[in-house]
Amino acid sequence: EVQLVESGGGLVQPGGSQRLSCVASGFTLSTSWMNWVRQAPGKGLEWVANIKHDGSEKYYVDSVKGRFTISRDNAKNSLYLQMNSLTAEDTAVYYCAQDGGLWGQGTLVTVSS
Amino acid sequence: DIQMTQSPSSLSASVGDRVTITCRASQTISSSLNWHQQKPGKAPKLLISTISSLQSGVPSRFSGSGSGTDFTLTINSLQPEDSATYYCQQTYSAPDTFGQGTKLEI
Repeated sequence: EVQLVESGGGLVQPGGSQRLSCVASGFTLSTSWMNWVRQAPGKGLEWVANIKHDGSEKYYVDSVKGRFTISRDNAKNSLYLQMNSLTAEDTAVYYCAQDGGLWGQGTLVTVSS
Repeated sequence: DIQMTQSPSSLSASVGDRVTITCRASQTISSSLNWHQQKPGKAPKLLISTISSLQSGVPSRFSGSGSGTDFTLTINSLQPEDSATYYCQQTYSAPDTFGQGTKLEI
Protein backbone atom coordinates (compact mmCIF):
# COMPACT_ATOMS: atom_id res chain seq x y z
CA GLU A 1 0.00 0.00 0.00
CA VAL A 2 1.24 3.46 -0.90
CA GLN A 3 1.29 5.55 2.24
CA LEU A 4 3.09 8.01 4.49
CA VAL A 5 3.14 7.25 8.19
CA GLU A 6 4.12 9.86 10.76
CA SER A 7 5.27 9.16 14.29
CA GLY A 8 6.88 10.95 17.21
CA GLY A 9 4.02 13.08 18.43
CA GLY A 10 3.04 13.36 22.06
CA LEU A 11 2.93 15.64 25.07
CA VAL A 12 5.94 17.90 25.52
CA GLN A 13 6.61 20.69 28.01
CA PRO A 14 7.03 24.28 26.88
CA GLY A 15 10.63 24.86 25.89
CA GLY A 16 11.10 21.21 25.11
CA SER A 17 11.99 19.36 21.94
CA GLN A 18 10.37 16.71 19.80
CA ARG A 19 11.41 14.86 16.67
CA LEU A 20 8.82 13.77 14.17
CA SER A 21 9.39 11.07 11.60
CA CYS A 22 7.57 10.20 8.41
CA VAL A 23 8.19 6.95 6.60
CA ALA A 24 7.06 6.24 3.08
CA SER A 25 5.97 2.81 1.96
CA GLY A 26 4.99 1.59 -1.47
CA PHE A 27 6.93 4.33 -3.23
CA THR A 28 10.24 6.13 -3.03
CA LEU A 29 10.55 9.54 -1.40
CA SER A 30 13.78 10.41 -3.14
CA THR A 31 12.14 11.91 -6.23
CA SER A 32 9.83 14.29 -4.35
CA TRP A 33 9.95 17.58 -2.56
CA MET A 34 8.51 16.84 0.86
CA ASN A 35 6.58 19.05 3.25
CA TRP A 36 5.47 19.34 6.85
CA VAL A 37 2.07 20.93 7.34
CA ARG A 38 0.35 21.47 10.68
CA GLN A 39 -3.16 22.08 11.88
CA ALA A 40 -3.89 23.56 15.28
CA PRO A 41 -7.07 22.31 16.97
CA GLY A 42 -10.10 23.67 15.14
CA LYS A 43 -7.97 25.71 12.74
CA GLY A 44 -6.92 25.59 9.12
CA LEU A 45 -3.84 24.17 7.48
CA GLU A 46 -0.48 25.88 7.97
CA TRP A 47 2.51 24.98 5.84
CA VAL A 48 5.59 24.59 8.06
CA ALA A 49 8.58 23.58 5.96
CA ASN A 50 9.74 21.76 2.87
CA ILE A 51 12.88 20.11 1.55
CA LYS A 52 14.16 19.38 -1.93
CA HIS A 53 14.70 15.84 -3.24
CA ASP A 54 18.36 15.77 -2.27
CA GLY A 55 18.10 17.93 0.85
CA SER A 56 20.02 20.79 -0.75
CA GLU A 57 17.22 23.33 -0.28
CA LYS A 58 15.02 23.86 2.76
CA TYR A 59 12.39 26.49 3.47
CA TYR A 60 10.47 27.37 6.62
CA VAL A 61 7.55 29.50 7.68
CA ASP A 62 8.79 32.48 9.67
CA SER A 63 7.21 31.33 12.94
CA VAL A 64 9.46 28.24 13.13
CA LYS A 65 12.69 29.55 11.62
CA GLY A 66 15.62 28.91 13.93
CA ARG A 67 13.60 26.43 16.01
CA PHE A 68 12.58 23.68 13.57
CA THR A 69 14.81 21.70 11.22
CA ILE A 70 13.55 19.58 8.36
CA SER A 71 15.69 16.75 7.08
CA ARG A 72 15.43 13.57 5.09
CA ASP A 73 17.16 10.23 4.68
CA ASN A 74 16.35 8.91 1.24
CA ALA A 75 18.11 5.63 1.98
CA LYS A 76 15.56 5.08 4.76
CA ASN A 77 12.72 6.56 2.70
CA SER A 78 12.14 8.92 5.60
CA LEU A 79 11.45 12.56 6.41
CA TYR A 80 12.06 14.24 9.75
CA LEU A 81 11.15 17.39 11.65
CA GLN A 82 13.27 18.35 14.64
CA MET A 83 11.33 20.83 16.77
CA ASN A 84 13.05 22.80 19.54
CA SER A 85 11.97 25.56 21.93
CA LEU A 86 8.37 24.49 21.62
CA THR A 87 5.55 26.74 22.77
CA ALA A 88 1.81 26.25 23.18
CA GLU A 89 1.34 27.82 19.74
CA ASP A 90 3.08 24.78 18.23
CA THR A 91 0.32 22.46 19.46
CA ALA A 92 -1.11 20.87 16.33
CA VAL A 93 -1.51 17.77 14.24
CA TYR A 94 1.59 17.57 12.05
CA TYR A 95 1.26 16.05 8.61
CA CYS A 96 3.95 15.07 6.19
CA ALA A 97 2.93 15.56 2.58
CA GLN A 98 4.48 14.76 -0.74
CA ASP A 99 4.61 17.72 -3.13
CA GLY A 100 1.64 17.35 -5.42
CA GLY A 101 0.66 14.03 -3.91
CA LEU A 102 0.14 11.97 -0.83
CA TRP A 103 -0.55 13.10 2.75
CA GLY A 104 0.18 11.14 5.89
CA GLN A 105 -2.43 10.56 8.58
CA GLY A 106 -0.84 13.05 10.97
CA THR A 107 0.68 12.96 14.45
CA LEU A 108 -0.49 15.15 17.33
CA VAL A 109 1.99 17.30 19.20
CA THR A 110 0.70 18.88 22.40
CA VAL A 111 2.84 21.47 24.14
CA SER A 112 1.67 21.90 27.69
CA SER A 113 2.94 21.82 31.26
CA ASP B 1 4.65 36.06 1.62
CA ILE B 2 1.84 35.31 -0.82
CA GLN B 3 -1.59 35.55 0.78
CA MET B 4 -4.35 33.22 -0.37
CA THR B 5 -7.94 34.35 0.18
CA GLN B 6 -10.81 31.91 -0.27
CA SER B 7 -14.48 32.69 -0.55
CA PRO B 8 -16.90 31.90 0.78
CA SER B 9 -15.71 30.70 4.20
CA SER B 10 -18.65 28.36 4.36
CA LEU B 11 -21.61 27.36 2.26
CA SER B 12 -24.55 25.04 2.36
CA ALA B 13 -25.86 23.26 -0.71
CA SER B 14 -28.05 20.36 -1.70
CA VAL B 15 -27.38 17.07 -3.39
CA GLY B 16 -27.22 17.64 -7.13
CA ASP B 17 -26.25 21.31 -6.87
CA ARG B 18 -23.25 22.90 -8.49
CA VAL B 19 -20.96 24.92 -6.23
CA THR B 20 -18.00 27.17 -6.88
CA ILE B 21 -15.24 28.09 -4.46
CA THR B 22 -12.87 30.88 -5.35
CA CYS B 23 -9.30 31.52 -4.31
CA ARG B 24 -7.39 34.74 -4.89
CA ALA B 25 -3.63 35.10 -4.57
CA SER B 26 -2.02 38.36 -3.51
CA GLN B 27 0.32 38.13 -6.51
CA THR B 28 0.56 36.05 -9.64
CA ILE B 29 1.43 32.40 -8.97
CA SER B 30 1.58 31.01 -12.50
CA SER B 31 0.04 27.51 -12.43
CA SER B 32 1.23 26.66 -8.91
CA LEU B 33 -2.18 26.19 -7.38
CA ASN B 34 -3.48 23.07 -5.64
CA TRP B 35 -6.84 22.19 -4.09
CA HIS B 36 -7.13 19.88 -1.08
CA GLN B 37 -10.16 18.28 0.55
CA GLN B 38 -10.35 17.51 4.26
CA LYS B 39 -13.17 15.56 5.84
CA PRO B 40 -13.77 15.83 9.60
CA GLY B 41 -11.20 13.95 11.64
CA LYS B 42 -9.27 12.92 8.55
CA ALA B 43 -6.05 13.96 6.85
CA PRO B 44 -6.29 16.27 3.86
CA LYS B 45 -6.29 14.78 0.39
CA LEU B 46 -5.00 16.38 -2.78
CA LEU B 47 -7.81 16.80 -5.29
CA ILE B 48 -6.37 18.99 -8.01
CA SER B 49 -2.83 20.13 -8.78
CA THR B 50 -1.49 22.83 -11.10
CA ILE B 51 -4.87 24.56 -11.34
CA SER B 52 -6.79 21.86 -13.16
CA SER B 53 -5.06 18.45 -13.04
CA LEU B 54 -7.42 16.02 -11.37
CA GLN B 55 -5.67 13.48 -9.18
CA SER B 56 -6.16 9.79 -9.86
CA GLY B 57 -9.37 8.48 -8.35
CA VAL B 58 -10.97 11.89 -7.88
CA PRO B 59 -14.47 12.02 -9.40
CA SER B 60 -14.83 14.00 -12.60
CA ARG B 61 -17.48 16.23 -11.02
CA PHE B 62 -14.54 18.12 -9.49
CA SER B 63 -12.77 20.64 -11.71
CA GLY B 64 -10.39 23.54 -11.34
CA SER B 65 -9.76 26.61 -13.44
CA GLY B 66 -8.22 30.04 -13.35
CA SER B 67 -5.01 31.87 -14.05
CA GLY B 68 -2.73 34.51 -12.67
CA THR B 69 -4.23 35.39 -9.29
CA ASP B 70 -7.80 34.09 -9.51
CA PHE B 71 -8.75 30.44 -9.31
CA THR B 72 -11.89 28.38 -8.96
CA LEU B 73 -12.86 24.94 -7.70
CA THR B 74 -16.16 23.75 -9.11
CA ILE B 75 -18.09 20.73 -7.93
CA ASN B 76 -20.90 19.59 -10.21
CA SER B 77 -23.77 17.40 -9.13
CA LEU B 78 -22.93 17.50 -5.41
CA GLN B 79 -22.92 14.23 -3.53
CA PRO B 80 -23.30 13.72 0.24
CA GLU B 81 -19.69 12.56 0.48
CA ASP B 82 -18.49 15.96 -0.80
CA SER B 83 -19.23 17.48 2.59
CA ALA B 84 -15.78 18.66 3.69
CA THR B 85 -13.49 21.64 4.04
CA TYR B 86 -11.64 22.67 0.91
CA TYR B 87 -8.31 24.48 0.88
CA CYS B 88 -6.40 26.12 -1.93
CA GLN B 89 -2.60 26.24 -1.70
CA GLN B 90 0.04 28.09 -3.67
CA THR B 91 3.39 26.42 -4.26
CA TYR B 92 4.86 29.24 -6.35
CA SER B 93 7.14 30.52 -3.63
CA ALA B 94 7.93 29.61 -0.05
CA PRO B 95 6.16 29.73 2.33
CA ASP B 96 3.65 27.57 0.44
CA THR B 97 0.58 29.23 1.90
CA PHE B 98 -2.93 27.83 2.20
CA GLY B 99 -6.21 29.65 1.98
CA GLN B 100 -8.27 29.77 5.16
CA GLY B 101 -10.57 27.01 3.95
CA THR B 102 -14.16 26.73 2.77
CA LYS B 103 -16.50 24.49 4.74
CA LEU B 104 -19.08 22.86 2.50
CA GLU B 105 -22.17 21.38 4.09
CA ILE B 106 -24.51 19.22 2.07
